[in-house]
Amino acid sequence: GAGVSQSPSNKVTEKGKDVELRCDPISGHTALYWYRQSLGQGLEFLIYFQGNSAPDKSGLPSDRFSAERTGGSVSTLTIQRTQQEDSAVYLCASSLGGGILEQFFGPGTRLTVL
Amino acid sequence: QQQVKQSPQSLIVQKGGISIINCAYENTAFDYFPWYQQFPGKGPALLIAIRPDVSEKKEGRFTISFNKSAKQFSLHIMDSQPGDSATYFCAATYGNKLVFGAGTILRVKS
Repeated sequence: GAGVSQSPSNKVTEKGKDVELRCDPISGHTALYWYRQSLGQGLEFLIYFQGNSAPDKSGLPSDRFSAERTGGSVSTLTIQRTQQEDSAVYLCASSLGGGILEQFFGPGTRLTVL
Repeated sequence: QQQVKQSPQSLIVQKGGISIINCAYENTAFDYFPWYQQFPGKGPALLIAIRPDVSEKKEGRFTISFNKSAKQFSLHIMDSQPGDSATYFCAATYGNKLVFGAGTILRVKS
């Protein structure tokens, strides 16, 4: 596709359930980033992939959060045992060679935990 | 120390006016200071960025002013247009991380 795509665009889940959020980066982009945007706040870095490896997971808020990337392309962010404070927009971005300013962002997944 | 503080939270400007958004930081190790524009339902998009050894950068109607000694930088939007209505984020980079301000919702009235 022409840009970064994310699915689903909206997800409503019940507290305690697990959710999976998907990111399809721009073809050929080796670097992939996940961010969380809470209401009225800026983006919060979660994790960075270079290829399939994640050299920086420092932003993951708890061990309920995990992410993987396969084939150097698609990435999945998994949140286990969701809590209401996990409600936010989860954004994915990719860049060609890891250039921090060359990130292209997807439209995000809005997660609502009831 | 990793924070970037942004103000105001929201801003209303008349068409043709100047929009000014301010940011402050503490960490002197930041590499670049970008600004992002975000429309509803979309991800942020890079607008303009400046290095800390430059005091001003202009691209079209958008200008970043950077004050290294005060650890402050600002975005000026000249001749603001209704199409500029969006949320603007300042940010700072270090290594592979982007640290974002909380955002400013700009509304340009026609």
